[in-house]
Amino acid sequence: QVQLQESGPRLVKPSETLSLTCTVSGGSIGCDYCYWAWIRQPPGKGLEWVGYVSDDGSADQNPSLNRRVTLSTDTSKNQFSLKLSSVTAADTAMYYCARVKWQVLDYWGQGKLVTVSS
Amino acid sequence: EIVLTQSPATLSLSPGERATLSCRASQSVSSFLAWYQQKPGQAPRLLIYDASNRATGIPPRFSGSASGTDFTLTISNLEPEDFAVYYCQHRGNWPSLTFGGGTKVEIK
Repeated sequence: QVQLQESGPRLVKPSETLSLTCTVSGGSIGCDYCYWAWIRQPPGKGLEWVGYVSDDGSADQNPSLNRRVTLSTDTSKNQFSLKLSSVTAADTAMYYCARVKWQVLDYWGQGKLVTVSS
Repeated sequence: EIVLTQSPATLSLSPGERATLSCRASQSVSSFLAWYQQKPGQAPRLLIYDASNRATGIPPRFSGSASGTDFTLTISNLEPEDFAVYYCQHRGNWPSLTFGGGTKVEIK
């Protein structure tokens, strides 16, 4: 059973960089046809795709985030990471990491609530 | 850009009733549509992929269907644990992932 766990600071100051890591267990980050995604959900709102990365480092991000997203993987630790720069209050959300296989999100982490506030 | 419109926003039903949730795509998405269930305080869970295939461990009371750009999630005989928010998601315009706005199924 694949499991994912987000980790990182819960509070980030405006204009700074939000950094989260997702640790994958029960499966390899290099699995066939797999990508690793970040999805966020502002309080009381719906789901928004942030970006995805594959084990070979190829990545893409939601254009609405104005290229503020950096995604990476660490295959030695079976982890992948998100950095979101120049954050504002609008970036306050629950951030989920998830596995994407055949473009379907089949395994999710429990989520990490990140608040942007001074 | 493909837009997914879910309706209704809220569905008020009693346990044992049938729930019918709609997701309409702004253009053809073939059968590349998934459904997720999200309970309060939990991460979403995959229910249905490719419009009508149940994910592993999903009970048969959950079913999905498609007709052109209209997709339906049906929950027959609602159980207490089925009251949640449901999202549809399109995978076809990869690498982008698009979600619908969600339908909340609440206890009447």
